[in-house]
Amino acid sequence: QQKVQQSPESLIVPEGGMASLNCTSSDRNVDYFWWYRQHSGKSPKMLMSIFSNGEKEEGRFTVHLNKASLHTSLHIRDSQPSDSALYLCAAPNDTNAYKVIFGKGTHLHVLP
Amino acid sequence: DTTVKQNPRYKLARVGKPVNLICSQTMNHDTMYWYQKKPNQAPKLLLFYYDKILNREADTFEKFQSSRPNNSFCSLYIGSAGLEYSAMYLCASSRDRVAEQFFGPGTRLTVL
Repeated sequence: QQKVQQSPESLIVPEGGMASLNCTSSDRNVDYFWWYRQHSGKSPKMLMSIFSNGEKEEGRFTVHLNKASLHTSLHIRDSQPSDSALYLCAAPNDTNAYKVIFGKGTHLHVLP
Repeated sequence: DTTVKQNPRYKLARVGKPVNLICSQTMNHDTMYWYQKKPNQAPKLLLFYYDKILNREADTFEKFQSSRPNNSFCSLYIGSAGLEYSAMYLCASSRDRVAEQFFGPGTRLTVL
């Protein structure tokens, strides 16, 4: 069964620091990913998606994708306390692209 | 309006009793999803509709039913609730298979 693995489970960074989150799919046919952010008590909202090998930057957020290794990473520079949330990585299912498989997430805590 | 609505927000049910959860969206999205989320676990896809076609996951096939009377509404039905059904149930919709999913606020189901 396809899995999406995220690491670390929990991450603490100081305000202004860099947070790096990782995600890997077990399915070799996956070639794009989504990153969602879920603040406490709220529903998940998409943060970024990446469909091409390489890097995509939006403000303080940068996503990398390496299709060969089925790995994506999310980097948050100048982390703010408001970035504290659960970050979920998601990938399409190998046999039905309408299905989306989520990882367990990384809990990010940014300390002021 | 990118709102996905869910009713009720909280539901208390007795073991063995039926449960019906409702989701609606006005974005004219073709695809609507239901996920089950338990603490420290990844959101688990239960089923999804693409237009009028229902796709149910093999491991939850007999536990959950759904209907989609029109494009805007989708229900999740549990015929006989068990203690293991206690969880947050998230509804989401998307425009197509590569677009982001918009999540509702969730229904927290507690089975006693």
